[in-house]
Amino acid sequence: DTAVSQTPKYLVTQMGNDKSIKCEQNLGHDTMYWYKQDSKKFLKIMFSYNNKELIINETVPNRFSPKSPDKAHLNLHINSLELGDSAVYFCASSQQTGGNQPQHFGDGTRLSIL
Amino acid sequence: AQKVTQAQTEISVVEKEDVTLDCVYETRDTTYYLFWYKQPPSGELVFLIRRNSFDEQNEISGRYSWNFQKSTSSFNFTITASQVVDSAVYFCALSEAVSRANSKLTFGKGITLSVRP
Repeated sequence: DTAVSQTPKYLVTQMGNDKSIKCEQNLGHDTMYWYKQDSKKFLKIMFSYNNKELIINETVPNRFSPKSPDKAHLNLHINSLELGDSAVYFCASSQQTGGNQPQHFGDGTRLSIL
Repeated sequence: AQKVTQAQTEISVVEKEDVTLDCVYETRDTTYYLFWYKQPPSGELVFLIRRNSFDEQNEISGRYSWNFQKSTSSFNFTITASQVVDSAVYFCALSEAVSRANSKLTFGKGITLSVRP
């Protein structure tokens, strides 16, 4: 069974469109995250949620809106896509908040903007 | 502010060679955690190890070993008798303010390891 699953795996779309990426974890974790990995492989946190509550919002443009309907799901909606949004987006989860928790990552969603 | 430096960007070795991946960190906290993650060519991120700042014991797991030295702010990773399947990007990461809910992982830029047969 996949622990952290993201859909879709690949997303190719035109500039200006709106798209969503879904994430689900079956580990029973309380905390979920979104990361962006750029073309140089640099990984940076975007958001974290703990039991549906926003904890970290890391100066991300407000075109990006995370939504957590329950603690097992954290979706990412992106409005008015721009060329610079092309990246791999990773969802992750950890048992709790706090820096001592190992994070378990999904397989990533490769977003390409044409 | 916390910072992780992985000065090596790409390393290429021949199978069965030993290889060490360096990681140097900066933090003002006395309590922090260090992590290593592996990203194989298939793209997923795999958690390898977590180490807290109070535990300087080295760790060995099969062919993998980690050397944590607070005196030099380093947390290096050695693969013994490397194999082609070890080819991946390896990330070192640091979290500080560990008791706070908004504690976050800061990643280094990663080291691309290529193991040739």
